[in-house]
Amino acid sequence: EIVLTQSPGTLSLSPGERATLSCTASQSVSSSSLAWYQQRPGQAPRLLIYYTSTRATGIPDRFTGGGSETDFTLTISRLEPEDFAVYYCQQYGGSPRYTFGPGTKLEMK
Amino acid sequence: QVQLRESGPGLVKPSETLSLTCTVSGGSLINYYWSWIRQPPGKGLEWIGYIYYSGSTNYNPSLKSRVTMSVDTSKSDFSLELSSVTAADTAIYYCARVRGNGWYGAFEIWGPGTMLIVSS
Repeated sequence: EIVLTQSPGTLSLSPGERATLSCTASQSVSSSSLAWYQQRPGQAPRLLIYYTSTRATGIPDRFTGGGSETDFTLTISRLEPEDFAVYYCQQYGGSPRYTFGPGTKLEMK
Repeated sequence: QVQLRESGPGLVKPSETLSLTCTVSGGSLINYYWSWIRQPPGKGLEWIGYIYYSGSTNYNPSLKSRVTMSVDTSKSDFSLELSSVTAADTAIYYCARVRGNGWYGAFEIWGPGTMLIVSS
């Protein structure tokens, strides 16, 4: 099983600042099989990034995904108030077919 | 615009079987893979399994012995059954559509989720 870990567990920043979230896989993951989701309180997750770096429809360009093999990042260039949420990375293609990281909570300082 | 909506009983007794349905509107089930994901209160996401419109399935090995999924293209819905439930199965259950025309893809459309509580 491919295990994903995310760091930090909680990130405290202010609007306008830059956020960098990390996702580490226990074994190499294809760059075509890494995604990021945003989950606001009381809402379903929303797809932000797939194929490591491709933004989903309607996602603003302040969200950037990158990385390869076992180390991946999600960067939010200038935080907006609506960006404070929990972020999950996900891999697809292993066994089980899909696994999620434990999440990073991005909170307002 | 495709929308998903989960429906279920809300409360199930321990040892019983939970049944949930996801109804697809604004689009077709055809040629897509459809997944169930759950989230215990205050915790992370766990993939349960997926079903193709043709009926082929793949389940998370951790739940495989208790999970059954089915699809009804005439009703534009698909369903999840989870047997022998315990309090550990209390969670928000989401249905989602896999991006693209294969199973190998991210979950691009999600339902709002339905809360399922296991309690006597």
